[in-house]
Amino acid sequence: GAVVSQHPSRVICKSGTSVKIECRSLDFQATTMFWYRQFPKKSLMLMATSNEGSKATYEQGVEKDKFLINHASLTLSTLTVTSAHPEDSSFYICSARWGHSSEKLFFGSGTQLSVL
Amino acid sequence: TQLLEQSPQFLSIQEGENLTVYCNSSSVFSSLQWYRQEPGEGPVLLVTVVTGGEVKKLKRLTFQFGDARKDSSLHITAAQPGDTGLYLCAGATSGSARQLTFGSGTQLTVLP
Repeated sequence: GAVVSQHPSRVICKSGTSVKIECRSLDFQATTMFWYRQFPKKSLMLMATSNEGSKATYEQGVEKDKFLINHASLTLSTLTVTSAHPEDSSFYICSARWGHSSEKLFFGSGTQLSVL
Repeated sequence: TQLLEQSPQFLSIQEGENLTVYCNSSSVFSSLQWYRQEPGEGPVLLVTVVTGGEVKKLKRLTFQFGDARKDSSLHITAAQPGDTGLYLCAGATSGSARQLTFGSGTQLTVLP
């Protein structure tokens, strides 16, 4: 089946630094990728929709200058958490859509971000 | 805003027991998916139901889509410790947006 690779799986950083998370679709092209944030034992909260070659669409309440998304190719989307603070500590997950209008999503394995 | 409420939020049962998880909404979805997620991992798709009233079975798991396509249920027979995880339902809307709305989640713990 389709595979989505997310890297790194875990990152610890100091407050004020920036962290980049990569999401790659390994065996298919994904024109649309999604970024989520998840708290322990809670559901996924959609942060933004990443469209290849265009600006990402952010959900209400998500700061686009804080969470920079770049989708420069059909197989790679990146999420950069800028000037990270302890309250940004969370589990971040990406997903990639199979096909243009498919409802089938493939998820990355997530990134646990801890900001000290 | 489309909301999907799952119940119960937390469930702890003994191995061998049966359980049902519910996913309810006031909105109609073109399809509904169920995922299971383990700690530190991304969600894994279990099933997609499309037709109102549809029932799908996956070994000991039975999924049902409501007739009006607003709700769904997941029934697990003879639960095993390996079934432990966070279960998420997700509804898909029709049209060009094709965005999934995730349910609030059910954390299942099956004790040996």
